Amino acid sequence: DIQMTQSPSTLSASVGDRVTITCRASQSLSGWLAWYRQKPGKVPELLIHKASSSQSGVPSRFSGSGSGTEFTLTITNLQPDDFATYYCQQYSSHFTFGPGTKVDVK
Amino acid sequence: EVQLVESGGGLVQPGGSLRLSCAASGFTFSNNFFIWVRQAPGKGLEWVSVIYTSYVTYYSDSVKGRFIISRDNSKNTLYLQMNSLRPEDTAVYYCATDIGLSGTTDYWGQGTLVTVSS
Repeated sequence: DIQMTQSPSTLSASVGDRVTITCRASQSLSGWLAWYRQKPGKVPELLIHKASSSQSGVPSRFSGSGSGTEFTLTITNLQPDDFATYYCQQYSSHFTFGPGTKVDVK
Repeated sequence: EVQLVESGGGLVQPGGSLRLSCAASGFTFSNNFFIWVRQAPGKGLEWVSVIYTSYVTYYSDSVKGRFIISRDNSKNTLYLQMNSLRPEDTAVYYCATDIGLSGTTDYWGQGTLVTVSS
């Protein structure tokens, strides 16, 4: 089974900041990596698929990059709506979620 | 409008069984794969199971041998039969599918809460 890790586990930031979250897989994903945002009490929302493809309707401040086993999610100009928990997910072999990164207010 | 509506959650004793349903509408059900994902209170997302259009199924190690995923294309409904339930199965259970052909899940239901406790 493919294992996923994320860093950091918590990130403190301010509105307008640029933040980066890293996700690592235990084996190559061939790009089959997605990012989700989950606001408190809400359902997860797909932000990025295929490592760097933006989901329709997602603001352009969200971008993804990476390949192989290491991937990043970057949020530029952090907005109040972005204080949430972010999960990476591999779908190269079934599905696995990372443990999550909580972005909170500095 | 795409809709996924889960039902069937509730309180069950350890060792008991429960069947969750996920009623789908707004798209061609038979063309899609579906997954179940759960989230224990205050915890992260955990993939539980997947069923493909071919009816091939896979499970996480934590539920293998206890849970069964199935689908009824005639009723546009996904199921999760949960047996031998344990307190650690307590979670909100979500069904999700791929509508936009992203390859992964872009539509999720609102979830149904399963509580396993005596």
